[in-house]
Amino acid sequence: GNSVTQMEGPVTLSEEAFLTINCTYTATGYPSLFWYVQYPGEGLQLLLKATKADDKGSNKGFEATYRKETTSFHLEKGSVQVSDSAVYFCALSSIIQGAQKLVFGQGTRLTINP
Amino acid sequence: NAGVMQNPRHLVRRRGQEARLRCSPMKGHSHVYWYRQLPEEGLKFMVYLQKENIIDESGMPKERFSAEFPKEGPSILRIQQVVRGDSAAYFCASSPRDSSYNSPLHFGNGTRLTVT
Repeated sequence: GNSVTQMEGPVTLSEEAFLTINCTYTATGYPSLFWYVQYPGEGLQLLLKATKADDKGSNKGFEATYRKETTSFHLEKGSVQVSDSAVYFCALSSIIQGAQKLVFGQGTRLTINP
Repeated sequence: NAGVMQNPRHLVRRRGQEARLRCSPMKGHSHVYWYRQLPEEGLKFMVYLQKENIIDESGMPKERFSAEFPKEGPSILRIQQVVRGDSAAYFCASSPRDSSYNSPLHFGNGTRLTVT
């Protein structure tokens, strides 16, 4: 079945450091890939997405490229800020029995220190 | 321009009581999904509903859990005779009727259920 594996956390970085959160997936067909972010006490917000191989999603300085050959969708940011502290979820989307189902990774808690 | 609205935000129940969680989808959305997030884990799919129909409940526990999305009013996730293991954050998401698989789901802020 479909699955997503994320780099285990927690991850702690200093402000302005480079960030990479690894994400790999297993899926049949051609799923869409997403990164969601969850700030404390809130629901999930879509951060970025990619719908086909070699697509690059980007938003708020974050980027991720859909790599079919390595089945990966790693999240990167060149210079993180304290406000980026949150839990990040990688997810894939597939249609099963007519339903769009998201399969999530376990999440990576990111803490940025000033 | 309200997003997905869930209430209550926090719910405390004693073992054996019933929990009712409500979700109003975004305006114009007729598909509702419920996900559960156990502490320090990712979200797990529970059930997918359209108005008056349960389309896929493959992620729902076989006993004590039920969901509905009536023609009028919010979607309800109901947990009977709650146990401590039901303590989790329950998230609702919605999508438009004609969404495709690459349309992102819109999530509510969740209901955090604590069973004492």
